[in-house]
Amino acid sequence: DQQVKQNSPSLSVQEGRISILNCDYTNSMFDYFLWYKKYPAEGPTFLISISSIKDKNEDGRFTVFLNKSAKHLSLHIVPSQPGDSAVYFCAASAGYGGSQGNLIFGKGTKLSVKP
Amino acid sequence: DAGITQSPRHKVTETGTPVTLRCHQTENHRYMYWYRQDPGHGLRLIHYSYGVKDTDKGEVSDGYSVSRSKTEDFLLTLESATSSQTSVYFCAISPGRSMNTEAFFGQGTRLTVV
Repeated sequence: DQQVKQNSPSLSVQEGRISILNCDYTNSMFDYFLWYKKYPAEGPTFLISISSIKDKNEDGRFTVFLNKSAKHLSLHIVPSQPGDSAVYFCAASAGYGGSQGNLIFGKGTKLSVKP
Repeated sequence: DAGITQSPRHKVTETGTPVTLRCHQTENHRYMYWYRQDPGHGLRLIHYSYGVKDTDKGEVSDGYSVSRSKTEDFLLTLESATSSQTSVYFCAISPGRSMNTEAFFGQGTRLTVV
């Protein structure tokens, strides 16, 4: 049973607009969430994270929102740029700051930003 | 670039043959991980290590073994490769158990078992 779900395999947005990538989780023990970005033929790279004690974390154009009651998080990219085109993975772990459990990844969402 | 290297980058092997993938780091990170990425599955943890000679299983460890005799090297072995092990394998390193800004993934090894 999937504990971390990214229900949209792909998303296409226009350059300059907002991209919203969604992620749902089922395990209420998860308390640390991360987003990774992956280009073809490269390894995933860390993008942004959020602890369950927060509901928002912002880093430049990237903001992650966490809704614990809905077990839902989202990644907002504003404004979207063609270089943001990649596969985005949501990941979660349990234990304080992710120190106790292994990361569980979603299946990924392929974002295409069109000029 | 982070000091993590996977070798080989590509390999084609026959069913039933042993295969060893290598992950080498120069960051002196304590934790090392092996993941596989398959279409429709995202990344799944195979094994991880929390120190020299200290390893543990991940969620898809069947058919795989690992060894870590030195801090910098983490080997993944398929004792008898099967077609279901055709995948892209990623090594990751992290100073602590929590994967964060200091955790890095290698570029991956594409393994094809024919």
